[in-house]
Amino acid sequence: GQQVMQIPQYQHVQEGEDFTTYCNSSTTLSNIQWYKQRPGGHPVFLIQLVKSGEVKKQKRLTFQFGEAKKNSSLHITATQTTDVGTYFCDGGYGGATNKLIFGTGTLLAVQP
Amino acid sequence: NAGVTQTPKFQVLKTGQSMTLQCAQDMNHEYMSWYRQDPGMGLRLIHYSVGAGITDQGEVPNGYNVSRSTTEDFPLRLLSAAPSQTSVYFCASSYYGAGGGNSPLHFGNGTRLTVT
Repeated sequence: GQQVMQIPQYQHVQEGEDFTTYCNSSTTLSNIQWYKQRPGGHPVFLIQLVKSGEVKKQKRLTFQFGEAKKNSSLHITATQTTDVGTYFCDGGYGGATNKLIFGTGTLLAVQP
Repeated sequence: NAGVTQTPKFQVLKTGQSMTLQCAQDMNHEYMSWYRQDPGMGLRLIHYSVGAGITDQGEVPNGYNVSRSTTEDFPLRLLSAAPSQTSVYFCASSYYGAGGGNSPLHFGNGTRLTVT
């Protein structure tokens, strides 16, 4: 079945350092979504990528979808304490099953 | 709009008891789903629905039932609670595009379930 692997599982950075998390699917995705979950909260949608090779930016966050639509990355420039939380990718497989499978998430800790 | 509403927020059950977690959305979303979240395991899909009267199994469906009699509601039933079902449960919904395209998920605030 479809699997979505996310690395790393945990990252601890000093405030101001950059951070990157990667999402890899075992099969081709129709689209990918990224979410952020603050401690004790629920996942909140950040962005959706649909096109092969697509790059989108939100302030200090840069999202990229791989050319083969099997992987994606989220890069945060100059982390801040407000970036703390778990970042999830969510692969859409479309078609008849239309399942949405989440990666295991990357927990980001930012030390001031 | 209230978005996705889950009840209850907290629940403690004894092994063998049954209960229903409620989920309602007021955004006219066709797609609804249930996830469980355990430490280090991410979000695992239990069941999902692409419209009223249609449900399907996700990654971890055993021990859970769902039904979708209306567009708005998607309750999750635990048939006979077990300690392994101790988890945080999230309901989520989204538009369901023609041809199977997905829109971003809107999550409820979650239900924290403990089974003793």
